[in-house]
Amino acid sequence: AQTVTQSQPEMSVQEAETVTLSCTYDTSESDYYLFWYKQPPSRQMILVIRQEAYKQQNATENRFSVNFQKAAKSFSLKISDSQLGDAAMYFCAYRSDYSGGGADGLTFGKGTHLIIQP
Amino acid sequence: DTGVSQDPRHKITKRGQNVTFRCDPISEHNRLYWYRQTLGQGPEFLTYFQNEAQLEKSRLLSDRFSAERPKGSFSTLEIQRTEQGDSAMYLCASSIQGVPVLKQYFGPGTRLTVT
Repeated sequence: AQTVTQSQPEMSVQEAETVTLSCTYDTSESDYYLFWYKQPPSRQMILVIRQEAYKQQNATENRFSVNFQKAAKSFSLKISDSQLGDAAMYFCAYRSDYSGGGADGLTFGKGTHLIIQP
Repeated sequence: DTGVSQDPRHKITKRGQNVTFRCDPISEHNRLYWYRQTLGQGPEFLTYFQNEAQLEKSRLLSDRFSAERPKGSFSTLEIQRTEQGDSAMYLCASSIQGVPVLKQYFGPGTRLTVT
């Protein structure tokens, strides 16, 4: 079974600064997908960024980018120019490339609470 | 795109009672997922449907949990004989099979409190 570990329960950053959230995962599969989801307080979870394991190029979405190190099984999220609206819980998630059965569900880490200091 | 909706948003029940939650996915989405999120944890995958077929249910936490999606549209998650340990947020998500794949859209969740 796959596991996802987020070792930072809480991170704090000054507005407009850059912050990196860490995620490691354990899998024996070679093809899979990794995600970062954002869960603002009392609001629904939304997808921030996605990375396909077969792609060497790191994904980027505006101020959000990832550092995907497949050999190290590491998938960190960098948020540049942090804004007050970035304050939320951030979850790293894994999905197998195999279809069917439990592989279609996401495996989440415990999350990192990101605080933005004005 | 009206988003995924869940009803009720909050449910308080006494131990031993049965509860049922409803999820309405985005209209064209054929896949629907249920997750449970306890305090301080990430969501935990429970089950999912493709249209009306339940393709995975071994992750349901016990035989007290069941889910249905009778016409391939909305889904219900039922917990029978609730226990205090069932207190959690129950999240529903939907997606569409195809390209781009795998993006799951989450609903706001139903928060269950068992007293």
